[in-house]
Amino acid sequence: GAVVSQHPSRVICKSGTSVKIECRSLDFQATTMFWYRQFPKKSLMLMATSNEGSKATYEQGVEKDKFLINHASLTLSTLTVTSAHPEDSSFYICSARDPPVTDTQYFGPGTRLTVL
Amino acid sequence: AQSVTQPDIHITVSEGASLELRCNYSYGATPYLFWYVQSPGQGLQLLLKYFSGDTLVQGIKGFEAEFKRSQSSFNLRKPSVHWSDAAEYFCAVGPGGGADGLTFGKGTHLIIQP
Repeated sequence: GAVVSQHPSRVICKSGTSVKIECRSLDFQATTMFWYRQFPKKSLMLMATSNEGSKATYEQGVEKDKFLINHASLTLSTLTVTSAHPEDSSFYICSARDPPVTDTQYFGPGTRLTVL
Repeated sequence: AQSVTQPDIHITVSEGASLELRCNYSYGATPYLFWYVQSPGQGLQLLLKYFSGDTLVQGIKGFEAEFKRSQSSFNLRKPSVHWSDAAEYFCAVGPGGGADGLTFGKGTHLIIQP
């Protein structure tokens, strides 16, 4: 099946710094990728939809200036958490849509962000 | 707005026993429905999906789910669970076409008793 990777798997940063998380589709090209946030004991919340070559579409309530998304190629999307604060600490998960198998998203393993 | 309800936060089942995880959805059109499993330290793995056709869908690892439009449900079942099935299970709904993100339920934590 389609494989999606994320890097790093864990990151700890100081408050006020920026952190970049990468999401890659390893064996397929993904025109659309998605970024989710998962709080402890909570479900995944869609943050934004990332389309290759165009601006990301953010869900209501998600600060686009804080969570910068770049989908520069068909296999890579990045999420940058700018000026991170402790409340940004969370589990961030990306997914990618595999066009030949439409309507199915394949998920990465997630990135645990801890902001001190 | 679409929503997914998984009424059971935790379920404990003895190894070898049957399992049913409940999922109810609210959606304005024909939904695309999914079940994912999340094990510690691993990403979400797709168990099965329903788009159309036969309302009983078979998935991986011996799981199946039945779409019941009249009850707005998509319950996940397995006739005999294994200790390795212990994990978090998420039901999700999407608009189809793959161009939009999914709406997830809060998950059900499955515990397997020896």
